[in-house]
Order: sequence, then structure tokens, then C-alpha cells
Amino acid sequence: GDSVTQMEGPVTLSEEAFLTINCTYTATGYPSLFWYVQYPGEGLQLLLKATKADDKGSNKGFEATYRKETTSFHLEKGSVQVSDSAVYFCALSDNTGANSKLTFGKGITLSVRP
Amino acid sequence: DAGVIQSPRHEVTEMGQEVTLRCKPISGHDYLFWYRQTMMRGLELLIYFNNNVPIDDSGMPEDRFSAKMPNASFSTLKIQPSEPRDSAVYFCASNQLAAEQFFGPGTRLTVL
Repeated sequence: GDSVTQMEGPVTLSEEAFLTINCTYTATGYPSLFWYVQYPGEGLQLLLKATKADDKGSNKGFEATYRKETTSFHLEKGSVQVSDSAVYFCALSDNTGANSKLTFGKGITLSVRP
Repeated sequence: DAGVIQSPRHEVTEMGQEVTLRCKPISGHDYLFWYRQTMMRGLELLIYFNNNVPIDDSGMPEDRFSAKMPNASFSTLKIQPSEPRDSAVYFCASNQLAAEQFFGPGTRLTVL
């Protein structure tokens, strides 16, 4: 079945550092890919998405490119802020059926120090 | 819009008791999802509904868990009897067909 693998965490960075969070997936067909963010005490929010190969999703300074050849969707940000401290989830949707289910990775906690 | 509303936000109960979690989806959304989040297993889809009808309950862990959606604006997830291993954060989410899922703030359940 479909699966999403995220790098092990947690990750601690200093403010203005460069961020990369790795995500790889296994799926049949042509999934859509997502990054969700969960701030403390809140539910998940969609951060960005990409629906086909070579698409780049971007939002709030974060970017991720859908790489079909490496089955990856790594999240990057050039300069993190304390306010980016949260849990980040990579997810895929298999695009089959009337409303595709989301398959999530385990999530990774990012802490940004001032 | 108030977003997806869940209640209670926190629930502490003793093993063997019945627990009912509640969700109000965003108005106009015709899909509703229940997820469970634990450290060990991450975020798991338990069940989802379309137009109040359960479509896929393959993620429901066992017969102790049941979910209902009596109308478009309300759903419940019930655990009876509860066990300590049910301790988790339970999320409800809703969307329109193939659009972004919006998550509620979650219910943190602790079963002693």
C-alpha cells in the first residue's frame, strides 16, 4: 500500500538557519503530495502541495518540489524563524476514487532557537 | 467560518468507561474524516463519511470503536469500553470533494 517516510526528528535549528526536511513516498499511480504543519495545541494546516511531477509548492517561504524520479518531496526554507517551530507532516493522496484518502508520514518536530 | 469544532478538547477517563468525542464540520463540506494520532503510530485515518454515509471504516481498530454522522453538521466517535491503549489525540477533518482537508483542534484522550 501507499506509504510516506519522513526523516527522524526532532530537529533543532538557530534562527535564520537553512531547513531541509526529507520526505519520500511509495505509491502506485500518480499521487498528489502535501506538507501539513501543526502548531502547538492546534490541528493540522495545509502548508503547501504539488499535484504532478516537477511541480513546486510554496507558501510562507517554504518550498517543496515533486520529484517522481526519486519519489521525494523534501521541504526547504532558506531562513527559519522562531515562529516556524511546529510539527511538520508529509502526506500523499492517491487520487483514486471520489475523494482520496491522505496517507501521512509520522511527522517531525522542528524547534527554532532565537 | 468557525472552522471544524471538536469537543471536548481534553478527556480523562478510567478504563472500561464509555467515551464520546464530538465533531462539527465546516458548513457545506460533504466529507468528514476521523484520525487518531499517537507517538508510536503517527496519524491514522479511522473512518470517513460522505454525505453522512460511512464510506471507509477499514482504519477503525476494533469493535469497541464506532462512529456516526446523524446529520451534515454533527459526528461522533465512541469508544466502549475504553482501554489505556486508546489514549491519543483524535482529530476530525472535513472537506469538499478533492479539496483541502481542514482539521479541528483535536481531542486529547487519556484513559487511566
